[in-house]
Amino acid sequence: GNSVTQMEGPVTLSEEAFLTINCTYTATGYPSLFWYVQYPGEGLQLLLKATKADDKGSNKGFEATYRKETTSFHLEKGSVQVSDSAVYFCALSNFNKFYFGSGTKLNVKP
Amino acid sequence: DTAVSQTPKYLVTQMGNDKSIKCEQNLGHDTMYWYKQDSKKFLKIMFSYNNKELIINETVPNRFSPKSPDKAHLNLHINSLELGDSAVYFCASSGYWTGGEISGNTIYFGEGSWLTVV
Repeated sequence: GNSVTQMEGPVTLSEEAFLTINCTYTATGYPSLFWYVQYPGEGLQLLLKATKADDKGSNKGFEATYRKETTSFHLEKGSVQVSDSAVYFCALSNFNKFYFGSGTKLNVKP
Repeated sequence: DTAVSQTPKYLVTQMGNDKSIKCEQNLGHDTMYWYKQDSKKFLKIMFSYNNKELIINETVPNRFSPKSPDKAHLNLHINSLELGDSAVYFCASSGYWTGGEISGNTIYFGEGSWLTVV
């Protein structure tokens, strides 16, 4: 079947720290992979995506690389800001269906 | 222009009432969804429509009834509201895109409707 597992939060970092949020998936075939971000009081926004193995999605300083060999799509950012505090969701799309992880809350302290 | 818009954003109502949440998308997508997000931020799909036809109907009380008058609209009506229905409800739409050798399906969410049943 298809599923997404992401690290439990909350993750608490100081400003300018390096961020990694782990995401692994199970899927048949060739899924597309996504990261969505949900700021407090808002909906989910597409942050980045990758459609095939070794693709790197990037946006707003965030990056994630589609690793088929490890079935992973870890989210990274070199230097987080207070404004990055949000809940991050890893997701996959396969055969026109979407599967979401449970979300990881990120708190960035000044 | 808002791609997926839903109203109302906030809704406080008493137990036993009936309420509706409306959703519209201007992305030209064929597929629309309703998701429920609980207090722990877990997202659960409730319904999915493709071109006005119901294609996903998860285990949801039959007090919840979606209606799709056309492929750009998907409304959610809830009868006899209960305390446990308090949550955030997200409308979403998805479309298939192609760009050279790359193609895929991407889902876009509305801003959410915060429902509180008292």
